[in-house]
Amino acid sequence: AQSVTQLDSQVPVFEEAPVELRCNYSSSVSVYLFWYVQYPNQGLQLLLKYLSGSTLVKGINGFEAEFNKSQTSFHLRKPSVHISDTAEYFCAVSGQGAQKLVFGQGTRLTINP
Amino acid sequence: EPEVTQTPSHQVTQMGQEVILRCVPISNHLYFYWYRQILGQKVEFLVSFYNNEISEKSEIFDDQFSVERPDGSNFTLKIRSTKLEDSAMYFCASSREGYEQYFGPGTRLTVT
Repeated sequence: AQSVTQLDSQVPVFEEAPVELRCNYSSSVSVYLFWYVQYPNQGLQLLLKYLSGSTLVKGINGFEAEFNKSQTSFHLRKPSVHISDTAEYFCAVSGQGAQKLVFGQGTRLTINP
Repeated sequence: EPEVTQTPSHQVTQMGQEVILRCVPISNHLYFYWYRQILGQKVEFLVSFYNNEISEKSEIFDDQFSVERPDGSNFTLKIRSTKLEDSAMYFCASSREGYEQYFGPGTRLTVT
């Protein structure tokens, strides 16, 4: 079984500042890792994914994440945020293969001008 | 760009009534899922569906729940007799190869 912990429920940052949203996972098997974003009153949009290969993955809207197997982490980063990045961000894990996603609690990113 | 669609966007029902939530997955996708998110809580897996049968279900997905793919395009979730605790946002997702899931906008179910 897998589990995901998102260490921060809310992260306020100023516009154009860098941000890191933290995600740790637990699993007894190899995993796939994902970040989804949910804008207000919308569904979940896939931001980026790690399936295999390079541990640094790049996604949409300038976001990137790094898979660290030894620390069982998959933190999301952006060097300079915009007001439009205000949203809830969910980290998710699945076992390899066609398996269910297990989500973290979510981190609400608030951008202040 | 193809996307998953869900109807209705909001459904209000009385306790004990049956509801059917509808989803149209992306057309060439083979794997289908339902998740739900109770307000303020995590997104939780309900059920996965592949090759016209349930491939996995969670403890939440009891006998009150059922899924169906009645034709080549729709994927439905039925709750036979709704309870207050079924109030949640229900998300449908689909995947072509089973590991990259695309979500619909959700149906907000309110049980009164």
